[in-house]
Amino acid sequence: AQSVTQPDIHITVSEGASLELRCNYSYGATPYLFWYVQSPGQGLQLLLKYFSGDTLVQGIKGFEAEFKRSQSSFNLRKPSVHWSDAAEYFCAVGGKGYQKVTFGIGTKLQVIP
Amino acid sequence: DVKVTQSSRYLVKRTGEKVFLECVQDMDHENMFWYRQDPGLGLRLIYFSYDVKMKEKGDIPEGYSVSREKKERFSLILESASTNQTSMYLCASQSEATGHSNQPQHFGDGTRLSIL
Repeated sequence: AQSVTQPDIHITVSEGASLELRCNYSYGATPYLFWYVQSPGQGLQLLLKYFSGDTLVQGIKGFEAEFKRSQSSFNLRKPSVHWSDAAEYFCAVGGKGYQKVTFGIGTKLQVIP
Repeated sequence: DVKVTQSSRYLVKRTGEKVFLECVQDMDHENMFWYRQDPGLGLRLIYFSYDVKMKEKGDIPEGYSVSREKKERFSLILESASTNQTSMYLCASQSEATGHSNQPQHFGDGTRLSIL
């Protein structure tokens, strides 16, 4: 069965500092990986996705993620965090041609001035 | 831009009531989903639909049913609401996966449902 682990439930960073959110997945074949962001009171918005090709993926809002097959990881990064990045972040994994994805439990990011 | 609209942002119902949550998407997507979101549990799939009148159970279908009579509309039904169904409910739509791709899902803003 596919699964996603986000080991950090809460993370606090200072504005301007770099950010890395961890995601580990379990999937028996080639994974399709996603990061979503949820602002308070909103639905989820896609930040970026990885299907194949270059393992470093660029997304919206200055985010990027790196797929590392050997570590079963897909960590999300941003070089300089802005106060507006405070939100909850979800990693998700799905399979080829298969509609269902499995979401992690989320990491809540707090940004302090 | 894809628009997924959930009919209510907040809803308060009583135990035993039949509750309908409505979701409409405007992009002619084939697939639609209902999730519930609870703190510490992330998103859990209740039901999904890959075509009109077609549905499949997700991970936690007990106590729920769904209806998809038109392509753009996917309804979640709580047959007899219970307090443990108090939660945030999220609807999503997705274009049919083609070839080797798995398309991302597009989410509505959610319905926060309280069962008293």
